[in-house]
Amino acid sequence: DAKTTQPTSMDCAEGRAANLPCNHSTISGNEYVYWYRQIHSQGPQYIIHGLKNNETNEMASLIITEDRKSSTLILPHATLRDTAVYYCIVRGHNAGNNRKLIWGLGTSLAVNP
Amino acid sequence: KAGVTQTPRYLIKTRGQQVTLSCSPISGHRSVSWYQQTPGQGLQFLFEYFSETQRNKGNFPGRFSGRQFSNSRSEMNVSTLELGDSALYLCASSLATGDYNEQFFGPGTRLTVL
Repeated sequence: DAKTTQPTSMDCAEGRAANLPCNHSTISGNEYVYWYRQIHSQGPQYIIHGLKNNETNEMASLIITEDRKSSTLILPHATLRDTAVYYCIVRGHNAGNNRKLIWGLGTSLAVNP
Repeated sequence: KAGVTQTPRYLIKTRGQQVTLSCSPISGHRSVSWYQQTPGQGLQFLFEYFSETQRNKGNFPGRFSGRQFSNSRSEMNVSTLELGDSALYLCASSLATGDYNEQFFGPGTRLTVL
């Protein structure tokens, strides 16, 4: 299973866009890129996922490079409530072993007033 | 619709004791997965249950076990607790097994082993 690399921490001003990068250079053709976030003292929350096309939902946008070796999660107008640890995970959609992925440490995003 | 609930939220035990954690999935969800999260580590998969059967298992020792009831509620048990078992234990539910089904996480149970 492909592994991901994310910066340890990032800062963002409230109201500005937060762009969180993720490298997944060993991603295979059938693996999706998923993003979750974990706010302090809560369980992880699903944000968005994609295969190769850019995706957008009410929470965020996901931009995946053409070679699929990296992606960026964009929070268009960050608020203080977006302060959390953001996890980028790659996983296939085959039944079986993908629950076993180790999520890694993610990026700790601090949104500052 | 109520979310995933976990009880208790906090627990303090001593080495050698055992502990049972409980998870109630979202109504209608039949798959329950358990994860361990420790400082300096990401989430590590423990096991997944679907229809009262363990479907997947992570690389944890046999001291970690679980079960699922007919109403999809699940429990996990850790016997002979060690200091290293101190962690946040997260439960996640999904409609069915298989990784295309999105998981919804509970708030976790924070276990401290003294």
